[in-house]
Amino acid sequence: GNSVTQMEGPVTLSEEAFLTINCTYTATGYPSLFWYVQYPGEGLQLLLKATKADDKGSNKGFEATYRKETTSFHLEKGSVQVSDSAVYFCALSPSNDYKLSFGAGTTVTVRA
Amino acid sequence: EAQVTQNPRYLITVTGKKLTVTCSQNMNHEYMSWYRQDPGLGLRQIYYSMNVEVTDKGDVPEGYKVSRKEKRNFPLILESPSPNQTSLYFCASSFGQGPRRTEAFFGQGTRLTVV
Repeated sequence: GNSVTQMEGPVTLSEEAFLTINCTYTATGYPSLFWYVQYPGEGLQLLLKATKADDKGSNKGFEATYRKETTSFHLEKGSVQVSDSAVYFCALSPSNDYKLSFGAGTTVTVRA
Repeated sequence: EAQVTQNPRYLITVTGKKLTVTCSQNMNHEYMSWYRQDPGLGLRQIYYSMNVEVTDKGDVPEGYKVSRKEKRNFPLILESPSPNQTSLYFCASSFGQGPRRTEAFFGQGTRLTVV
């Protein structure tokens, strides 16, 4: 079946540090890949997505590249802010299905 | 404004007392689903619906029921809640499959405590 594995947290960083959260997946075919973010007390919202190999999704300074050869979709940001403190979820959706499968989530805390 | 609305946001109940968590979306999305979020486990799908009167089990359906009588509404029913159903619940909706798939829109969450 389909599954997503992301690095365990929590991750604590200082402002302006580089952030990377690893995500690898197992799926048949060509799934779409997503990063969702959950700010404290809120629901999940889409951060970025990629729908085919070598696509790069980007938003709010975050980037992730769909790497089919390594089945990965690592999230990166060059300079984090306190406002980036949140839980980040990697997810996939098969090409022939509606379902989203999520990783366990990584809690990121950015200190001023 | 496009949104998914869940109610209530917080609920404390006793074991065995039936409850319903409501979910409504205003985007005419065909696909709706319920998830529970538990520490270290991420989001696990409880039930989903691909359209009106079409529902199916997700990964952790035991102890839950759903219905989809209208496209916009997808209530989650716990007929006899137990303490292991204490969790944070999210409703989500989306449209399309594969590259045509829209982002999933999530509700604000319902924090349920069963004592």
